Formats: sequence, C-alpha cells, structure tokens
Amino acid sequence: DTEVTQTPKHLVMGMTNKKSLKCEQHMGHRAMYWYKQKAKKPPELMFVYSYEKLSINESVPSRFSPECPNSSLLNLHLHALQPEDSALYLCASSRSDSGPTQYFGPGTRLTVL
Amino acid sequence: AQTVTQSQPEMSVQEAETVTLSCTYDTSESNYYLFWYKQPPSRQMILVIRQEAYKQQNATENRFSVNFQKAAKSFSLKISDSQLGDTAMYFCASVNAGNNRKLIWGLGTSLGVNP
Repeated sequence: DTEVTQTPKHLVMGMTNKKSLKCEQHMGHRAMYWYKQKAKKPPELMFVYSYEKLSINESVPSRFSPECPNSSLLNLHLHALQPEDSALYLCASSRSDSGPTQYFGPGTRLTVL
Repeated sequence: AQTVTQSQPEMSVQEAETVTLSCTYDTSESNYYLFWYKQPPSRQMILVIRQEAYKQQNATENRFSVNFQKAAKSFSLKISDSQLGDTAMYFCASVNAGNNRKLIWGLGTSLGVNP
C-alpha cells in the first residue's frame, strides 16, 4: 500500500483567511514533504520532516507554517497568502531507512483570491 | 550541482506504438537513484519506475522500461504498447543516496497518446 491522502482536494481562500492543508500516510514512513507546483512545471520543495523534526526549509515565506503532529500526519498552515501562492500543493512521504523513493498524495488545488 | 535535463518538451505517439522519452543528468555522487514520475491531467504524481545507480540491470515495470547508460549519464524511458491512459506529463528526477532527500527534477515531457 503506497497511499498518501490529502485534504481538502480544492481550497479557495481570501488573502486575510487562515486555513490548513492536511496530509496523512499509514505506510510507516518517517520522512514527509510539502511541495508547491505551478502548472506545467516540476514540483518545488518547500519543507521536509524527518522523524517528525523539520530537516529542510527551502526559504519558504513565513505565511506558510508546517506542522508534524505525529509520524503519520503533516499539516501546512496558511495565513495572509498572496494570489501568486495559488498552486497545487503536493504532500509526499518516504521510508527513512531504505531508499529515498517518494510517494505522492493527490494534492490540494489552492486558489487565493 | 546536480541537474536533470529533459530535452523534449512535447511528444506524441499513436495508440499501441512505442515511444521513448529522453533524460540526461549530471551528478558528482557515485551512489544515487533515478526516477520517472507520471502526472496525468488529474495532477496526481505517480511513480512509474525507479533505478538504483549501482545496479547495471535496467529496471522494468510491465510496459515501462528504462535504458540506463551510467557512463553517458542517460536515463531514457520506453513505453511499449502505448495506451490512451498514458497521456500525461512525465518527469525525470534524481536524488543522491544517504540523507539528502532533495529530488532534482527535469522540466518534464508532455506526452499525448492519439487514438
């Protein structure tokens, strides 16, 4: 089973709203990732959590705030976003001890008005 | 710096025919992994195939196979018996072994399968 789930599928928010994206995996993976993807472009890495600790932050603006409450869950809290933040947000996970293969969720399509 | 290059922005193939997508990469590491991911219009990123650099044998997954040429740093994807459901953006990616979890992505090849 290589399933990563993400909720919601679609999200529309205003620039003053606060919202959260949720990602869940039950594969026992110990590394989880957030990516941002614009249309027809490859994904851009935002954050990596390894063993529930933030290990990589790719200089992402503070209006994006990640959280890893436990080894199965990853959240991305959104606040005061800009229209240019509209994109597909992908979550991925990988085992930490044998090979760095990343498995992706279906994504959340975010629109900021 | 690690790079991945996909030189074909768009390709098309007739249903049931075979198509090859090109990918070249550059890395100074001796141990690394290479991947092909598929992203159909639904936008779900799906792992197609994976190759470990230390394995000489080319990876295969059903109708998908790779031609891994380590010395030439080439990693092409062959799709046999193309199906309409193969229509998608295909991304080539690499990552170094060890603790570096940062995938390096190519810009993608948009493949259309025509009936």
